[in-house]
Amino acid sequence: AQTVTQSQPEMSVQEAETVTLSCTYDTSESDYYLFWYKQPPSRQMILVIRQEAYKQQNATENRFSVNFQKAAKSFSLKISDSQLGDAAMYFCAYRTPYSGGGADGLTFGKGTHLIIQP
Amino acid sequence: DGGITQSPKYLFRKEGQNVTLSCEQNLNHDAMYWYRQDPGQGLRLIYYSQIVNDFQKGDIAEGYSVSREKKESFPLTVTSAQKNPTAFYLCASRSRDRGLDGELFFGEGSRLTVL
Repeated sequence: AQTVTQSQPEMSVQEAETVTLSCTYDTSESDYYLFWYKQPPSRQMILVIRQEAYKQQNATENRFSVNFQKAAKSFSLKISDSQLGDAAMYFCAYRTPYSGGGADGLTFGKGTHLIIQP
Repeated sequence: DGGITQSPKYLFRKEGQNVTLSCEQNLNHDAMYWYRQDPGQGLRLIYYSQIVNDFQKGDIAEGYSVSREKKESFPLTVTSAQKNPTAFYLCASRSRDRGLDGELFFGEGSRLTVL
């Protein structure tokens, strides 16, 4: 079974600084998708960024970027110029490839609580 | 605006009672999902449905049941057989036309507390 590990239960960063959240995963598949979701205090999950495993180029969305290391099965999220609104739980997720009978959902890590200090 | 509506937002239940959580989406998505979230546990998949009148068990389906009679609706029943039902429940949906990279859209969640 695929697993997703986020080794940092909590991270703290000063406003305007850069922070990196780590994520590793375990899979025997060669083609898959990875996601970072944000869960603010409202508790609604919001997609931050996604990465296709077959693409070598790291995905970027404004202040958010990833460092995808396929061989190491690592998928870290970098947040630049941190803002107070970035404070939230961040979840790394992996998509199991649909093969007609397998689970068609996301496998989530346990999350990292990001604190932004003003 | 399109989205996913979960109700109720907060629910209290006595032990031994079944309770049904509602999930409705107007995104025209084929696939719908129920996740359970516990502190320090992340999200765990309970049930999912890829098409009307069909659904599959996820990782923690015991003590739960679902139905998918309409494309836009995917209610979750927490039965008295669920040993520890107090949790936060999230419903999500996805367009299968987008393929595997299609993101999941989430509702705002329902908080169930068993007294």
